[in-house]
Parts: sequence; C-alpha cells; structure tokens
Amino acid sequence: AQTVTQSQPEMSVQEAETVTLSCTYDTSENNYYLFWYKQPPSRQMILVIRQEAYKQQNATENRFSVNFQKAAKSFSLKISDSQLGDTAMYFCAFTPMNRDDKIIFGKGTRLHILP
Amino acid sequence: SQTIHQWPATLVQPVGSPLSLECTVEGTSNPNLYWYRQAAGRGLQLLFYSVGIGQISSEVPQNLSASRPQDRQFILSSKKLLLSDSGFYLCACNGQGTTSLHFGNGTRLTVT
Repeated sequence: AQTVTQSQPEMSVQEAETVTLSCTYDTSENNYYLFWYKQPPSRQMILVIRQEAYKQQNATENRFSVNFQKAAKSFSLKISDSQLGDTAMYFCAFTPMNRDDKIIFGKGTRLHILP
Repeated sequence: SQTIHQWPATLVQPVGSPLSLECTVEGTSNPNLYWYRQAAGRGLQLLFYSVGIGQISSEVPQNLSASRPQDRQFILSSKKLLLSDSGFYLCACNGQGTTSLHFGNGTRLTVT
C-alpha cells in the first residue's frame, strides 16, 4: 500500500528564516506525482508546488522549492525568507500517474512563522 | 480553470438528523471527485472518491454515503448524524488533463 509520512507534526521558525518540511513516501510505482499543499487558518487548500517523478530537476515556485530524492523516496519542502503569511498546515501528497488512482495525503505539519 | 462550489459553508445539525452536502464543479468535464473530512487541527481523511457517474469508492465504513447523479455533481449524505460526524468536509476534484486536486472552500459541520 502507498503511504505518505510527515514526521514533524509542528514547527516554529522566525520570520525571514529558512525552514524545511520533511516528507517520505512508500510506493512500488515508478511514475507518479508529488505535491505540497498549504492550508492557512482560512482552511482553504492551496497547491504550493508539484513534482513529476520522471523529472530529475527539483521544482521551484518563488520562495518554495523541493528536494526530491527518488531513490530515498523523500520529498522535502524548503521555504526561504519565510513570511507571516506562510503560517499554515502543510500537507505532502502522492498520486500514481494514472489519474483514476486516488491522491494520498500525509498527516500534515503545522508551521508557525514567528514575528 | 476548474471551480468547485461547495455548500453550505457552515451547518449545525442535531444528532439523528439527516445530512446532505453538495458539491458542483465548473470548468472541466469527467472530473474525479473526492470527499474528505478533517477533524480540528488534524489531517485529511478520504471518505469517498468517484471516477464517473454512479461510480463511488468508499474508503471508510461509516455513517455516511455519497452519490454522483451527474458528471459534475457529488453529494455527501447521511440518514442519521452522529456526534462523531462533526468536522470540516472538503470536496475536491481533478479534471481531464490535470493531476493536482482543486478544493472547495469546505463545510464546517457541527453535530449537537
């Protein structure tokens, strides 16, 4: 069975610092997608970044970047120059390349950005 | 782009009453549709997902059911609510040609 594990239930960092959120997953698939979603206090789910497993280059979206280690089945999220608006719950998610397969979420990491 | 309409935003229901939450999708056809539940401060629990009209997969045996009467309509129901059904319910979809999920704004359900 495919699983996604986020080992950090909660983290706090000072504003402007860099923070890394960890995610590991387990699958026998070779082609798949990985995602990071953000859920701010409004509880709206927002897609932060997406990585295709067949791409070696790590995805980047402005201050957000990932470290994708396929062999180690690791997919961490790095937030640079953290801002107060980054305070949120962050979920790592996995889905096989077949669109009809369900998307599996980790349990989330609650991130607090401190002023 | 895909848009998900989910209502109501907030609902307070007594134990034993029925439930109907509706989700509709715009901007795509033949989407995969999902219902998730989230307890306060917790992760997402997948309840149901559907890859087509009338095709529903249930992930957790419980007091809830789902139906998909139309391509872009997904309904979450219960005949008799339990206190444990309280939570935040999210509808999500991924349409043709997409892999990531788009989410509705959610429904906060309180069973009293």
